Amino acid sequence: SQTIHQWPATLVQPVGSPLSLECTVEGTSNPNLYWYRQAAGRGLQLLFYSVGIGQISSEVPQNLSASRPQDRQFILSSKKLLLSDSGFYLCAWSVLGGVQETQYFGPGTRLLVL
Amino acid sequence: KNQVEQSPQSLIILEGKNCTLQCNYTVSPFSNLRWYKQDTGRGPVSLTIMTFSENTKSNGRYTATLDADTKQSSLHITASQLSDSASYICVVIQTGANNLFFGTGTRLTVIP
Repeated sequence: SQTIHQWPATLVQPVGSPLSLECTVEGTSNPNLYWYRQAAGRGLQLLFYSVGIGQISSEVPQNLSASRPQDRQFILSSKKLLLSDSGFYLCAWSVLGGVQETQYFGPGTRLLVL
Repeated sequence: KNQVEQSPQSLIILEGKNCTLQCNYTVSPFSNLRWYKQDTGRGPVSLTIMTFSENTKSNGRYTATLDADTKQSSLHITASQLSDSASYICVVIQTGANNLFFGTGTRLTVIP
């Protein structure tokens, strides 16, 4: 069965510090991978998606970046965090299956920037 | 402008009662609509996926409806349980694999 992992679960970082969030998927090959941010009281915002190793598409220009060094590994990074980067970060995976394609979400990382 | 609006923003019901959550969208061209359940501090979990031609789809005590003409969907929960307490998110997918539009969700609280 497929599983998706995210770590850390929670993170408190000072403004200006770097960030690295990791997401890994098990039990599937060549998944589409996604990073979302969910701010308090707001809907999910798609940040990045990847259809393959080294292939990253950015949906929202900001100080965040993403990388996919391996097939089932997706990393969200920042060189200098801003207060506005606080939120709940969710990684998701899917396998292309037409209109029935479903995204499966990880447990999330709660980031607080102080 | 492509938008997804959900109502109510929050809802409190007694255990055992039914409730209906609403989702209105302006996303076009429409591919499909999903309802997700998100427990506090967890990732969303898919409940239903509905395509243009589907009017009703059930998943246990959850029944989703779709009116593609009026661009409205509803999620009906029957005989609510305490474990139904969660946020319910409506997501509309535009034609094209990665064009997803998320509603801000309805926060449901079921009390004993």
